[in-house]
Amino acid sequence: EDKVVQSPLSLVVHEGDTVTLNCSYEVTNFRSLLWYKQEKKAPTFLFMLTSSGIEKKSGRLSSILDKKELFSILNITATQTGDSAIYLCAVNFGNEKLTFGTGTRLTIIP
Amino acid sequence: NAGVTQTPKFRILKIGQSMTLQCTQDMNHNYMYWYRQDPGMGLKLIYYSVGAGITDKGEVPNGYNVSRSTTEDFPLRLELAAPSQTSVYFCASSYPGVAFFGQGTRLTVV
Repeated sequence: EDKVVQSPLSLVVHEGDTVTLNCSYEVTNFRSLLWYKQEKKAPTFLFMLTSSGIEKKSGRLSSILDKKELFSILNITATQTGDSAIYLCAVNFGNEKLTFGTGTRLTIIP
Repeated sequence: NAGVTQTPKFRILKIGQSMTLQCTQDMNHNYMYWYRQDPGMGLKLIYYSVGAGITDKGEVPNGYNVSRSTTEDFPLRLELAAPSQTSVYFCASSYPGVAFFGQGTRLTVV
C-alpha cells in the first residue's frame, strides 16, 4: 500500500530559527512529490520534485528529494511568524492521485 | 481568475439529511478530486475523476457519490449524513501534476 509519513507532527520554534521538515514514502510507482502550505483554508502549492528535478528553492524555502532513500525534506531558514502553518507532503504514485501525509504543524514564536 | 470554486463554505446537517457539495473549475483541467480533512489529519481522497464521464473511488468513498457530466463541474453527494462525515471537504483539480484546491466546505453533522 502506498504510504506517506511526515515528521515531526508538530514543531514550535522561535522567529529566526531554521527548521527541517521530513517526508518519507513507501512506493509502488513513484512519479512526483509535492509540498503544500496550509494556513487557515486551502493548501497552497510550494514545490514539486521529480526524478528530473530533485532540488528546488524559493526564497527562504528549499526542498530536496532522495529517490534512493525514499524521502524528502523541506527547509525553512530565518523563519518568520508568517511561516506558521501546516506543511503537507503529497506523493503521486503514477496514477495522478495524490496521497497525503498527516502534515507537520509549524508554530513560529515571535 | 477564479480557479477552483466550492459552495457552500459552511453547512450544518442533521443526521439522515442529504446534500450536494458543489465544485467547479475554470482551468480546463481533466483531473478533479474530492478530499476530506479531519482535525489533525492530512487529506484523504474520497473520489476522483480523470475526465467527463469517468469517476473512481478513492481511499474513503463510503457514504458519498459523485458525477462528472462536464469538464468544469464535479459535485459530491452525501445521501444519508452521519456524524462521522463531519469534516472539511476540499475539491481540487490538476492538469496533471500539481493539484489546485478550492477554499473548502466545513460540514457539521448533528
